[in-house]
Amino acid sequence: GDSVTQMEGPVTLSEEAFLTINCTYTATGYPSLFWYVQYPGEGLQLLLKATKADDKGSNKGFEATYRKETTSFHLEKGSVQVSDSAVYFCALSSYSGGSNYKLTFGKGTLLTVNP
Amino acid sequence: NAGVTQTPKFRVLKTGQSMTLLCAQDMNHEYMYWYRQDPGMGLRLIHYSVGEGTTAKGEVPDGYNVSRLKKQNFLLGLESAAPSQTSVYFCASMVGHEQYFGPGTRLTVT
Repeated sequence: GDSVTQMEGPVTLSEEAFLTINCTYTATGYPSLFWYVQYPGEGLQLLLKATKADDKGSNKGFEATYRKETTSFHLEKGSVQVSDSAVYFCALSSYSGGSNYKLTFGKGTLLTVNP
Repeated sequence: NAGVTQTPKFRVLKTGQSMTLLCAQDMNHEYMYWYRQDPGMGLRLIHYSVGEGTTAKGEVPDGYNVSRLKKQNFLLGLESAAPSQTSVYFCASMVGHEQYFGPGTRLTVT
């Protein structure tokens, strides 16, 4: 079945440091890939997405490129801020028969950014 | 446009009690989902619905039931709560492979 593996946290960085959170996936067919962010006490919000190979998703300074050859979708940001402290989830959307679509999530990576 | 809302926000149950969690969305989405989130486990899909009057089992359906009588509402029921059901429950609706999440319900079963 489909699966998503992302680097275990927690990740602790100083403000303005470079961020990478690794994500690899296993899926049949051609999934869409997502990064979601969950701020403390809130639900998940879509951060960025990519729907086909070599697409780059970007939002709020975060980027991730859909790499089919390495089945990866690593999240990067050049200079993190304290406000980026949150849990980040990598996910893929796959077709499960009929008209059904489901998201498969990684286990999440907690990022803490210190001033 | 409220998006996805969940009721209640917090609840404490005793073992064996029952309750219903309500999810409502005002975006006219066909697809709706219930997840539970536990430390170190990510999000696990409980049940989902691809339209009014339809439901299907997800990854961890045991001990839960759902109903989708109206397109905008997706109800999650616990008939006889167990301590293992202590969790944070999230509802989501989906359009075009993008899911929109509610703020969550924190349930504690003692």
